[in-house]
Amino acid sequence: NAGVTQTPKFQVLKTGQSMTLQCAQDMNHNSMYWYRQDPGMGLRLIYYSASEGTTDKGEVPNGYNVSRLNKREFSLRLESAAPSQTSVYFCASSELEAGGSYEQYFGPGTRLTVT
Amino acid sequence: RKEVEQDPGPFNVPEGATVAFNCTYSNSASQSFFWYRQDCRKEPKLLMSVYSSGNEDGRFTAQLNRASQYISLLIRDSKLSDSATYLCVVNGGTGGFKTIFGAGTRLFVKA
Repeated sequence: NAGVTQTPKFQVLKTGQSMTLQCAQDMNHNSMYWYRQDPGMGLRLIYYSASEGTTDKGEVPNGYNVSRLNKREFSLRLESAAPSQTSVYFCASSELEAGGSYEQYFGPGTRLTVT
Repeated sequence: RKEVEQDPGPFNVPEGATVAFNCTYSNSASQSFFWYRQDCRKEPKLLMSVYSSGNEDGRFTAQLNRASQYISLLIRDSKLSDSATYLCVVNGGTGGFKTIFGAGTRLFVKA
């Protein structure tokens, strides 16, 4: 099993460009998450999907959109990239989202730079 | 005040030392607590859950103090391979998804 996979691993965008980060999990998990990690700030939740067909905003959703394409896949879209979105993006999944009591499994991350 | 606070470190310790990390949280309704480990430029991985009664996994001991709203992680007999960032994670509370990651404490174990 590959676990959680993310593409691309690295990306450089110019301000105003758009892109989609892809995430897939093969653990048959119900819940999936997108985080960003910035130095000194820890992981911050952008959006999550508690189950297939549902998505909800997290702590920092502005400038992002998500799609839960099916149970396996959860994509994150930046419609008009800004330098403030330079960060490392992690996708994660868990068996359930039940008050966050289940272990989350993370993908390897996407390092995004917006110039 | 941040919802989950950790000493950023770094902690520099020799091999074989005992090192302790503390983490405080602000939401008294929090239900679940974890320590994750993150190696440099890698993804976080679960190290251990933290239970009210305290729990131990080999050289690692985690404790929870609900009254004072802090959790701790003790690493005994440190190994070079323990060098990483340790993330405190607090879940639960009212109103939707509430998983909060601390910013992490960096540990360097030196020979």
